[in-house]
Amino acid sequence: AQSVTQLGSHVSVSEGALVLLRCNYSSSVPPYLFWYVQYPNQGLQLLLKYTSAATLVKGINGFEAEFKKSETSFHLTKPSAHMSDAAEYFCAVSDTSGTYKYIFGTGTRLKVLA
Amino acid sequence: IAGITQAPTSQILAAGRRMTLRCTQDMRHNAMYWYRQDLGLGLRLIHYSNTAGTTGKGEVPDGYSVSRANTDDFPLTLASAVPSQTSVYFCASSDLPGGTAEAFFGQGTRLTVV
Repeated sequence: AQSVTQLGSHVSVSEGALVLLRCNYSSSVPPYLFWYVQYPNQGLQLLLKYTSAATLVKGINGFEAEFKKSETSFHLTKPSAHMSDAAEYFCAVSDTSGTYKYIFGTGTRLKVLA
Repeated sequence: IAGITQAPTSQILAAGRRMTLRCTQDMRHNAMYWYRQDLGLGLRLIHYSNTAGTTGKGEVPDGYSVSRANTDDFPLTLASAVPSQTSVYFCASSDLPGGTAEAFFGQGTRLTVV
């Protein structure tokens, strides 16, 4: 069975500081990995995805994530936080073996301080 | 550009009543999903469908049923609503297997069971 663990339900950073949101996954088959962002009262929007190509993945709004198989991690980073980055972020895993389900972590709410 | 359309946007429902949440996609995706989002629990998969005519149970299927008569529609039915089904419900679709592997989400249905 697949699972995702997001460390830290709330993260606060100062504007201009590094953003680091942690995600660890468990999967018995090569996974697809995703980061989604959710703004208040909206649906989820894809930030970036890993589908077995380059291990360093660049997404929208300056975010990137690195797939580390040895650490079973897919942490999300952004060099310089902006006020508009305040939102909830979800890490998700999908399998490549045939069920095609997306399993989500519990989310990390990012607060950006002026 | 429509993508995924969910209806209604919000609903207050008396306990014991039957309710169907509607979901329609116009992307011709094979796979569709229903999630519920609850504070602190992230998104949990209720039911999914890999292709028209097939459905499967997710993490929290009890009290819910789905059908997939065609590619575009994936309604979620609560046969007899209970207060614990108060949640925000998201429908999603993806072009798995293959394709971009991205899941696209609707804007959600906020359901309150009283």
